[in-house]
Amino acid sequence: EAQVTQNPRYLITVTGKKLTVTCSQNMNHEYMSWYRQDPGLGLRQIYYSMNVEVTDKGDVPEGYKVSRKEKRNFPLILESPSPNQTSLYFCASSPRRGFTDTQYFGPGTRLTVL
Amino acid sequence: RKEVEQDPGPFNVPEGATVAFNCTYSNSASQSFFWYRQDCRKEPKLLMSVYSSGNEDGRFTAQLNRASQYISLLIRDSKLSDSATYLCVVNWDGSSNTGKLIFGQGTTLQVKP
Repeated sequence: EAQVTQNPRYLITVTGKKLTVTCSQNMNHEYMSWYRQDPGLGLRQIYYSMNVEVTDKGDVPEGYKVSRKEKRNFPLILESPSPNQTSLYFCASSPRRGFTDTQYFGPGTRLTVL
Repeated sequence: RKEVEQDPGPFNVPEGATVAFNCTYSNSASQSFFWYRQDCRKEPKLLMSVYSSGNEDGRFTAQLNRASQYISLLIRDSKLSDSATYLCVVNWDGSSNTGKLIFGQGTTLQVKP
């Protein structure tokens, strides 16, 4: 089944404890992206990747890192999480770059930083 | 001015009603426009792309007005299952070399029996 998977789905952690949220897609898509969703603010793009080893900042990259060593994986790293990073996170992939057409979203990761 | 702006609603309509949502965007260079649907904090899913000539998919019609920089979504004969949040999405600078997308905060639709 074609899909985007994220892990973990739910995470409660404490300030400063490094964490990684994994994202994997099995559709051979070139483009991948991370978003966070907060009430009243909608979805905001954190980072995106046009292809392997190519990443770029979205609107809200501060406090996050990403890597794209393989086409299928695009992990999101929070080196020192803070409470303002409490949010619902979505990973997405798309077959095309640039004029991205259908983006396929993962199920979301609900992160709470205490 | 927000980059992509939507009326958050909620829009409460009876079954069978016709409802329209608008979305305005601030960057005149934007080239790609989409409507996504999101159910209750689940992942967004593409509803339809929006083309310059307008496009229709069953009960759904999307229109683009470049001069006024807005896109619209019309839903005819609303069903209970249409209840969701509708997200307006714009490719930011129109370049084929960037992947920056901007999402509106969404418009919530509640269809009542």
